[in-house]
Amino acid sequence: DGGITQSPKYLFRKEGQNVTLSCEQNLNHDAMYWYRQDPGQGLRLIYYSQIVNDFQKGDIAEGYSVSREKKESFPLTVTSAQKNPTAFYLCASSPGEKQFFGPGTRLTVL
Amino acid sequence: GIQVEQSPPDLILQEGANSTLRCNFSDSVNNLQWFHQNPWGQLINLFYIPSGTKQNGRLSATTVATERYSLLYISSSQTTDSGVYFCAVERAGGSQGNLIFGKGTKLSVKP
Repeated sequence: DGGITQSPKYLFRKEGQNVTLSCEQNLNHDAMYWYRQDPGQGLRLIYYSQIVNDFQKGDIAEGYSVSREKKESFPLTVTSAQKNPTAFYLCASSPGEKQFFGPGTRLTVL
Repeated sequence: GIQVEQSPPDLILQEGANSTLRCNFSDSVNNLQWFHQNPWGQLINLFYIPSGTKQNGRLSATTVATERYSLLYISSSQTTDSGVYFCAVERAGGSQGNLIFGKGTKLSVKP
């Protein structure tokens, strides 16, 4: 079954804890992306990776970190330095022009 | 940076009605995509359309790159069309895949 999976669907963490969000794709796409969505807003780009072992900051990278050790996986860590981490996080992948999205993870920091 | 403005912000329709959603952008673009976000948060890619016109069933889109706008047409709307429609663009000369999203048009289709 091909697609993009994100886990978990809902995640609760205490303030001050780092948390890692998973994103996996079996579509053989080279590029992968992480976005953040706040209520009533559009998506904003956090980090993206065009190829394994390489990634670039997006518009709101502060307080986040990523790795791209495998083509299929692009995990996002929300660190304690992120001032307002509660949001809906969406991962996407792309073979070139069009982007395809996973189902998202809703992170709530208490 | 490039600005992306979508209108209207909210739209309520009766089932069967037609609608037009607009996306204006402030600079030349390499890439323009339309997405539908369903009430559960899943985004579906509707069109990749940096210029020209495309159709897919009851949906069609037109981008006039020289005038910096794109239109999404929904005909014979159904309740399943409800959700938020986003336009996203990549600035010409920008990093590939670095999409800037508008704030969306929230569509509610009533039975």
